Amino acid sequence: AQKITQTQPGMFVQEKEAVTLDCTYDTSDPSYGLFWYKQPSSGEMIFLIYQGSYDQQNATEGRYSLNFQKARKSANLVISASQLGDSAMYFCAMREGRTTGNQFYFGTGTSLTVIP
Amino acid sequence: KAGVTQTPRYLIKTRGQQVTLSCSPISGHRSVSWYQQTPGQGLQFLFEYFSETQRNKGNFPGRFSGRQFSNSRSEMNVSTLELGDSALYLCASSPGWNTGELFFGEGSRLTVL
Repeated sequence: AQKITQTQPGMFVQEKEAVTLDCTYDTSDPSYGLFWYKQPSSGEMIFLIYQGSYDQQNATEGRYSLNFQKARKSANLVISASQLGDSAMYFCAMREGRTTGNQFYFGTGTSLTVIP
Repeated sequence: KAGVTQTPRYLIKTRGQQVTLSCSPISGHRSVSWYQQTPGQGLQFLFEYFSETQRNKGNFPGRFSGRQFSNSRSEMNVSTLELGDSALYLCASSPGWNTGELFFGEGSRLTVL
């Protein structure tokens, strides 16, 4: 089974609108971390936001928020007030447990295009 | 503070050759991990080094190897290149093992002809 599933290959959003990128995960480990990264065409992966499995509140970082629904094993990224510079690939990732170091599992990504 | 630096950024090799990629982590970061990104397989974990020791390894053949030096710089080597090794190789650093987010470099894009 896939550890991270992103079901939206491509998304379009109007500038200044909000958009939700979906992510579901699969793990039996009670301790895990969920991450979202942005990859512009330059190739560098840029960290956006983190949610720990024991965190009670949804994470927020500026215009980014993570809608964490533990029972449903989903960790959707919400981008508010989209900007043209938000056009990029977005990856959801997970690190399991306390013994796997920095081995991250990545989803297949969602290509976001912001329309002026 | 300088980010993660990967060299070379682009390279072209032929089948059967070998290649060495270099990664300089953010100053003070002791963990370096490597990922392969291809259109077909996405991002896949290769291995991680912490304090000059390989701590974890992904499901790749033995042709893929790496090492870390005392200054935390890391190299990865791919021997006997195959066409399927064409990919973007991303290096990521982290202050510690199993903590925090990964900081990625811009990658080394390898094309095997």
